[in-house]
Amino acid sequence: SQQGEEDPQALSIQEGENATMNCSYKTSINNLQWYRQNSGRGLVHLILIRSNEREKHSGRLRVTLDTSKKSSSLLITASRAADTASYFCATDGGSGGGNKLTFGTGTQLKVEL
Amino acid sequence: NAGVTQTPKFRVLKTGQSMTLLCAQDMNHEYMYWYRQDPGMGLRLIHYSVGEGTTAKGEVPDGYNVSRLKKQNFLLGLESAAPSQTSVYFCASSYIETQYFGPGTRLLVL
Repeated sequence: SQQGEEDPQALSIQEGENATMNCSYKTSINNLQWYRQNSGRGLVHLILIRSNEREKHSGRLRVTLDTSKKSSSLLITASRAADTASYFCATDGGSGGGNKLTFGTGTQLKVEL
Repeated sequence: NAGVTQTPKFRVLKTGQSMTLLCAQDMNHEYMYWYRQDPGMGLRLIHYSVGEGTTAKGEVPDGYNVSRLKKQNFLLGLESAAPSQTSVYFCASSYIETQYFGPGTRLLVL
């Protein structure tokens, strides 16, 4: 079963606007990661936030984590057409070894010129 | 560095046929993974390996087998393909926490 549920499923914005995606998960985690997938390609890691962190920044990306609500959000500021992709959250629950990740269902972001 | 590569890129099988998907990584990563991606379902873990000679089941292992005879290679086998195995298959590898993905193999089972 999916650990993460993402909201919204699809998002369409204009270039220059900010895009916010949300992820909710069900069980305790060691860390939560966000990945991007361009159409027809493999996933690319964007950012990782640990369970004891509340906010993290990387370039135009800002991730927040609220472990009490079991939720995270990814903010992309000043979006560009090249940001058009699907975005997935993934949680590492730490059980069983192997740094296994459980992925959400993804948010499809379209940035229009 | 090529990163993670997958062979083949696309394959069509008939029900009951067998095939092997090959994943190779040149980053000396200990951990490797096989996922399948279906529309609206995100990625689901099929099998994974924490080192050469070891494999373990993931969330959806039925109908698949894997082998990790060499550290750099992780093979996914379908012994008797079924239409339900039509999907896009991704391999990934990791050293610590971040996973690095291959470009995917699109499999169609008729």
